[in-house]
Amino acid sequence: GENVEQHPSTLSVQEGDSAVIKCTYSDSASNYFPWYKQELGKRPQLIIDIRSNVGEKKDQRIAVTLNKTAKHFSLHITETQPEDSAVYFCAASKPGTYKYIFGTGTRLKVLA
Amino acid sequence: NAGVTQTPKFQVLKTGQSMTLQCAQDMNHNSMYWYRQDPGMGLRLIYYSASEGTTDKGEVPNGYNVSRLNKREFSLRLESAAPSQTSVYFCASSEGSLGPQHFGDGTRLSIL
Repeated sequence: GENVEQHPSTLSVQEGDSAVIKCTYSDSASNYFPWYKQELGKRPQLIIDIRSNVGEKKDQRIAVTLNKTAKHFSLHITETQPEDSAVYFCAASKPGTYKYIFGTGTRLKVLA
Repeated sequence: NAGVTQTPKFQVLKTGQSMTLQCAQDMNHNSMYWYRQDPGMGLRLIYYSASEGTTDKGEVPNGYNVSRLNKREFSLRLESAAPSQTSVYFCASSEGSLGPQHFGDGTRLSIL
């Protein structure tokens, strides 16, 4: 069935360094890819999303890249700060469905 | 503008009891969703409602029922709670398919 694999499951970086989280999806019909940030005890919040007609999208320190041929997409956070510490989830969705398929999450720790 | 509101925030039940989780959104969204989140398993879709008057099963529907009461409200019912249903439940809404989903704060449910 459809699935999204997310790696790594945990990631520790020094403050100021970059962090990269990767997701691979199985269904080639997927064309919408959101990323969510979830702080401890809080709701998932959308931080960036990308559609399949775009290869890269940036928003300040956050960027997402998409490789449709390889069926993977990545979240890049530059100049990390302690407040970036959270669990990040990727997801994939395709036309005609209302379902997101979520990855299992990456716990990012930014060390001061 | 509250977004997506879930009640209650916390609940403890005994095995076999019934319970309805409430969700309301004030963004005039067409689509609404119920997820459960368990440690290490990300978010899994229980049921969704693409539009008022329709509901469909997600990935893990067994043991749950839903009602789309009107465009704003989507409730999740546990008819006979089981310990395996101990989880954090999130409601979400979106304008339609292939767009960002907005989450509520969650309901933390423990079943003894």
